[in-house]
Amino acid sequence: KAGVTQTPRYLIKTRGQQVTLSCSPISGHRSVSWYQQTPGQGLQFLFEYFSETQRNKGNFPGRFSGRQFSNSRSEMNVSTLELGDSALYLCASSWGAWGSSYNEQFFGPGTRLTVL
Amino acid sequence: GQNIDQPTEMTATEGAIVQINCTYQTSGFNGLFWYQQHAGEAPTFLSYNVLDGLEEKGRFSSFLSRSKGYSYLLLKELQMKDSASYLCAVRDQGLTGGGNKLTFGTGTQLKVEL
Repeated sequence: KAGVTQTPRYLIKTRGQQVTLSCSPISGHRSVSWYQQTPGQGLQFLFEYFSETQRNKGNFPGRFSGRQFSNSRSEMNVSTLELGDSALYLCASSWGAWGSSYNEQFFGPGTRLTVL
Repeated sequence: GQNIDQPTEMTATEGAIVQINCTYQTSGFNGLFWYQQHAGEAPTFLSYNVLDGLEEKGRFSSFLSRSKGYSYLLLKELQMKDSASYLCAVRDQGLTGGGNKLTFGTGTQLKVEL
């Protein structure tokens, strides 16, 4: 069974640009969550999508947005990039069933974004 | 909101036992996870606790006390490959009472020495 895949793996952008990152979950998984990881802040939750709807949201500015498609693949977009957006962006997928108390998340390898 | 604390670094000897503690404050607890992350790699799931008590899984065990806001991860028979960052994460109720909103601690960097 293929794992979570993320593209691209590495990205270099300049301030003010925008970027779109892609995540393909494990087959059958309907929940996709996005995280930002930096050395100073650790792993921080961005948002979660389930069945094409945003189900949970973290405390990031509106420049960070996402969406999910009918095949559960997800994209996140960051507009007007800032230097502080340089980070590893991880997505994680899970079954995400409602009412389930156990939702192990499987992480992808991440996209390393560098903003110059 | 959530607040999670865990030690920044720990060092232990190969073959020994190490306990990594995690304390948390939460407004809506819905489970606690432990993940392992090797440098340059994605986090991988180790354990999940939602009820008080000990969960054992091979060389790894995790304990939870909800009343104390406390968990620990116990690693036995340490191996060099266990050198990694160990992340404690708490799931809260989120916007809709369900789902996967996880708040992670900053991680404990474990170094296993000969």
